[in-house]
Amino acid sequence: ETGVTQSPTHLIKTRGQQVTLRCSSQSGHNTVSWYQQALGQGPQFIFQYYREEENGRGNFPPRFSGLQFPNYSSELNVNALELDDSALYLCASSKSGQGYGAGYTFGSGTRLTVV
Amino acid sequence: QKEVEQDPGPLSVPEGAIVSLNCTYSNSAFQYFMWYRQYSRKGPELLMYTYSSGNKEDGRFTAQVDKSSKYISLFIRDSQPSDSATYLCLFFPGTNAGKSTFGDGTTLTVKP
Repeated sequence: ETGVTQSPTHLIKTRGQQVTLRCSSQSGHNTVSWYQQALGQGPQFIFQYYREEENGRGNFPPRFSGLQFPNYSSELNVNALELDDSALYLCASSKSGQGYGAGYTFGSGTRLTVV
Repeated sequence: QKEVEQDPGPLSVPEGAIVSLNCTYSNSAFQYFMWYRQYSRKGPELLMYTYSSGNKEDGRFTAQVDKSSKYISLFIRDSQPSDSATYLCLFFPGTNAGKSTFGDGTTLTVKP
């Protein structure tokens, strides 16, 4: 059983650019959630996808968008990057549509640096 | 005011000590409670999950929930250097359960 895989592991972008982060969910999981974790803080919920539809969104602007594919993998897209977007982006997969069943399985994250 | 407050701050204890980690919350909609452990440069991993008031034990770890007082705790007995990590509490509401909330974490160092 494979875990959650995120790519790339590290990324450096310039302010104003766009970025796409990718996540492959754990086998058998159909729900994907994305989090932003700034240095020294807990992860902040961005949004969740279930059956290719957004299923809950945190307090993030529309320039943060996502997709879920039929194989349950997911993308996080961020447009017009700002310096404050520099963070570790975590993807978590789970089995149930509600997302809280037995907990989430997290990937190791993508470290995004905006300069 | 934040929905979730986690304490203590960075914590350093000797090997074998009992560790107590705490989170208080203000959102009455939170119904599901979890503790995660995050090692440096890794994603969080699930330690404990519960949804009712009371204690739940798993090996050296005990999770405690008090819904009436709106706090949860994680106790670690006989702490080991391998327990050195950041511990995060995570809360889910009963509805719209996608909108989860983490605490800011407590970084624990267990010294041999």
